[in-house]
Amino acid sequence: DAKTTQPPSMDCAEGRAANLPCNHSTISGNEYVYWYRQIHSQGPQYIIHGLKNNETNEMASLIITEDRKSSTLILPHATLRDTAVYYCIVRVAGGTSYGKLTFGQGTILTVHP
Amino acid sequence: NAGVTQTPKFRILKIGQSMTLQCTQDMNHNYMYWYRQDPGMGLKLIYYSVGAGITDKGEVPNGYNVSRSTTEDFPLRLELAAPSQTSVYFCASSYSASGNTEAFFGQGTRLTVV
Repeated sequence: DAKTTQPPSMDCAEGRAANLPCNHSTISGNEYVYWYRQIHSQGPQYIIHGLKNNETNEMASLIITEDRKSSTLILPHATLRDTAVYYCIVRVAGGTSYGKLTFGQGTILTVHP
Repeated sequence: NAGVTQTPKFRILKIGQSMTLQCTQDMNHNYMYWYRQDPGMGLKLIYYSVGAGITDKGEVPNGYNVSRSTTEDFPLRLELAAPSQTSVYFCASSYSASGNTEAFFGQGTRLTVV
């Protein structure tokens, strides 16, 4: 699976949009970009994923660049409860990946009042 | 919805003792995983299973064993506990390995070996 690079930490004001970047310059054509978050040592929670197109769900939006070498997770109106470690993960669909996830150290997002 | 359930939540073991971390899921998922997370680090894969009776090693399998006799259960066994196994253990499951499948995680078992 392709490696990802994320900033170690970011801050955001409550109510503002949080934009979390991820670099995955060695991504292959059959690899998806996934985002998970981990709140205070709880189990990781799935947020969103995408292959080529931008994606949006009730939690967040995912913007993937045209060359797919980087992406941005957007939390449109951050709240204090969004304070967590955010992991950007790239993984192959099917085949011998067996759904395994490779976690880096993620970005610690702190949302301030 | 129970999802992925892990027991116990906390455990202290003495060096050389053994224990089994339990994991069960009620979503009829084929794929199950065990990860460990050391302080300040990301999760690392210990073992995984693609269905009942089929298991395979992940990135850090030494000192652990698993079995998968049913679709629902995927216990992790520590035979001779060592201080290096002090960690938080997470079990996860997913329906398939396709690109459009998310993984669901349990709440973790915090293990301390002294």
